Amino acid sequence: NAGVTQTPKFQVLKTGQSMTLQCAQDMNHEYMSWYRQDPGMGLRLIHYSVGAGITDQGEVPNGYNVSRSTTEDFPLRLLSAAPSQTSVYFCASSQAWGQNSPLHFGNGTRLTVT
Amino acid sequence: AQRVTQPEKLLSVFKGAPVELKCNYSYSGSPELFWYVQYSRQRLQLLLRHISRESIKGFTADLNKGETSFHLKKPFAQEEDSAMYYCALKNAGNMLTFGGGTRLMVKP
Repeated sequence: NAGVTQTPKFQVLKTGQSMTLQCAQDMNHEYMSWYRQDPGMGLRLIHYSVGAGITDQGEVPNGYNVSRSTTEDFPLRLLSAAPSQTSVYFCASSQAWGQNSPLHFGNGTRLTVT
Repeated sequence: AQRVTQPEKLLSVFKGAPVELKCNYSYSGSPELFWYVQYSRQRLQLLLRHISRESIKGFTADLNKGETSFHLKKPFAQEEDSAMYYCALKNAGNMLTFGGGTRLMVKP
């Protein structure tokens, strides 16, 4: 059981480049989300999805796009990378919502934008 | 707007000492609160949730609505407790907001 899988693990981009961070889960979870982790700021929610075809913005959505065409996949797209997007990105999923649905996290993607 | 505050970025204690990781929140509704932990080279994982009133690895956390706090406590810290701890609040719309995290270091 793979759980939540993120690729790549590491990425270096130049300012202005675009890329997609992949996230897949094999637990049939309805809820998926993307966070970025920055020192001293904890994890901040970028975008989330409560089911296939439904996405919504979190706290820090600017500069990122998402889509949810299938239950399993929730890619995060950086349209034009900026140094401020240097961070560690975590994808997380849960079965539904409520106290009995803890988040399952991926291993993270470390992104550096030069 | 909801907010989670963990005032200590780093907490260092000796093995066997009590530990308390502070978490304060602001939220107008009825909160659902969690503690997540990230051990070195491992992914973030759920430690405990307030509604369960459970003790996991010796840790407990009580929701104090009057003080809007959800502090994490353990009476006797162990070296394997060294990790990054995040307090989190889930709102009615299922958005999970994390605090800034506290790094716990348990010294031998």
